[in-house]
This record gives sequence, structure tokens and C-alpha cells, in this order.
Amino acid sequence: DAKTTQPNSMESNEEEPVHLPCNHSTISGTDYIHWYRQLPSQGPEYVIHGLTSNVNNRMASLAIAEDRKSSTLILHRATLRDAAVYYCILRGRLGEFQGAQKLVFGQGTRLTINP
Amino acid sequence: DAGVIQSPRHEVTEMGQEVTLRCKPISGHNSLFWYRQTMMRGLELLIYFNNNVPIDDSGMPEDRFSAKMPNASFSTLKIQPSEPRDSAVYFCASSLLAGGEQFFGPGTRLTVL
Repeated sequence: DAKTTQPNSMESNEEEPVHLPCNHSTISGTDYIHWYRQLPSQGPEYVIHGLTSNVNNRMASLAIAEDRKSSTLILHRATLRDAAVYYCILRGRLGEFQGAQKLVFGQGTRLTINP
Repeated sequence: DAGVIQSPRHEVTEMGQEVTLRCKPISGHNSLFWYRQTMMRGLELLIYFNNNVPIDDSGMPEDRFSAKMPNASFSTLKIQPSEPRDSAVYFCASSLLAGGEQFFGPGTRLTVL
């Protein structure tokens, strides 16, 4: 599985934007970049995913570098409820090989939001 | 929809006992995943099913662990006999499509004394 590298922890203030980086220098041309987050005492939840173009949804934005070797998850205005561990995961294209649908979680980035 | 349902939410048992964890996926979802989370090893995929058929069980630690999915609305993860090192939070997740977004349950916190 292609690996991702994320900072162990980050800290930000409430109502400020947060940029969570992820390096994936060995990404293949068909790997999708997925982000999940895990709030305290809960299971992970999907945040966003993308392939090449930047993506936006109601939770966050995903900015993907032109060479796809890195990406950034952007929380535009962090709240206390955004405090969680954020996981950046590479996932193969469905049908590419049998294990493509697997999510392989790393250690993620623990995001702390200060009031 | 109620989301993925797991039971029990907490389980405390003694070493050597059999433990059965249960999962009800979201109705209509075709893929089901079992994960284990510990402080030391993080979140690990144990096994996953597509259309009730086990596809990849390479993450199952050893023969003491077994998983079944007798129908589209129910799956079990069994540990027999249990050991203290099995203590962890076990998550079940389901997805509509094989490569789609996974929805996780609240987890079962297992403690083996």
C-alpha cells in the first residue's frame, strides 16, 4: 500500500482556518486521496476524497498538488467539534485489484482546537 | 437510517472465554468491514465481506478469530478463546459500493482480564 506522512499533531484556534498537510510521494496514477476523521470515543467518519482536482463539500476542502505528491485538507472555520484525529489515506481505484477498496489507516494528525 | 449498529458496546470477559461481537450494517449496503483499534497498533482492518462473501481476511490475527456474515443484515466476529492482548475497540463499517465511503459503527470496547 502506498504510504502517507502526516504531522502527529496540530493546534489551531476556534473560527480560524486549519490546513492539514499530507505527503504521499509514492502515490500511483490511479490512487484516490481519502480523508477520514475520528472524533473522541467515536468511529471514523468520511470527510472528503479526490483524485486530481481540488474538491469541496460541506465539511471541508481538499487541495491536491499538481504532481499529486501532497495534499492539504482545509477546514475553513474550525469549531471545537472539529477536534479529532484526521487520517489521510490512499485508496486504489475500484476494480484495479481486489484489495483496492481497503482503507489502510496510519497514525493520522491529532487536531486540537483552542477556544 | 440508524447507521451501523454494534453490540454490545462494552464487553468485559475473562481470559479463555468466548466473545462474540455483532454488527448490523446499514440497510442496502453490500460491503462490510471489521476493524480493531489499539493504542499500540492503531486502526487495523481484520476482514471484509462483499455481498456476504469474505474477500480478504489477511488481517485476522490468528485462528482464534473468526467472522461470519450469514445474511446481508448481520455479521459476527468471534474470538475463542480470548486473551488479554485482544483487548481493543472493535469497529464494524459498511459501504454501499465496494469502493465507496465507509460508514463506521460506534464500536465495541472489549476488555479481556
